[in-house]
Amino acid sequence: EIVVTQSPGTLSLSPGERATLSCRATHAINAKSVSWYQQKPGQAPRLLIFDASSRATGIPDRFSGSGSGTDFTLSISRLEPEDFAVYYCQQSGSSPITFGQGTRLEIK
Amino acid sequence: QLQLQESGPRQVKPSETLSLTCNVSGGSIGTKDTYWGWLRQSPGKGLEWFGSVHFSGSTFYNPSLTSRVTISITPSENRFSLNLKSVTAADTAIYFCARLPSWSGLSYFDSWGLGALVTVSS
Repeated sequence: EIVVTQSPGTLSLSPGERATLSCRATHAINAKSVSWYQQKPGQAPRLLIFDASSRATGIPDRFSGSGSGTDFTLSISRLEPEDFAVYYCQQSGSSPITFGQGTRLEIK
Repeated sequence: QLQLQESGPRQVKPSETLSLTCNVSGGSIGTKDTYWGWLRQSPGKGLEWFGSVHFSGSTFYNPSLTSRVTISITPSENRFSLNLKSVTAADTAIYFCARLPSWSGLSYFDSWGLGALVTVSS
């Protein structure tokens, strides 16, 4: 099983700042098998990024994804108030599909 | 617009079987390049994938859960289901159904149900 570890656990930033969230896998993953989700309290996760760097429908271009091998990154260029949430990365390169434990992005 | 909705009992007794159904509306469950999946989320285990099913009946399961899980699909009624047997308190979680837009049962999830909190308790 590929274990996915996200860092940091909590990120405290102010609106307008840039956020950089990391995701590391125990084994190399095909970049087309990495996706990112945003989850707000009481809601289901929402797909942000698939294939490591492709934005899902309706996702603003301030969200971007990158990475290869075992290290992947989600960047949010200028934080808006609605961006403060929990973010998860997911790998689907090999079974089972696994998720990171999440990064909580909170307002500083 | 595609919508997924979980339905089923919200409380299950220990050792019994948890059964949930996902009703799909706004689109056909019988799309060739689409799989349908079940996941759950709990404070202790985070997000956990159970498995994915295609309208043809092809199924992928999480190896760590496969002995207790059955996922089935009913294309004529545009729904798919999850059965988890021999539940314990550790199976208390929010259960989600979701769509995987892929020919493969391993992919990302682009549309989710609202989630159903299921509690295992006597």
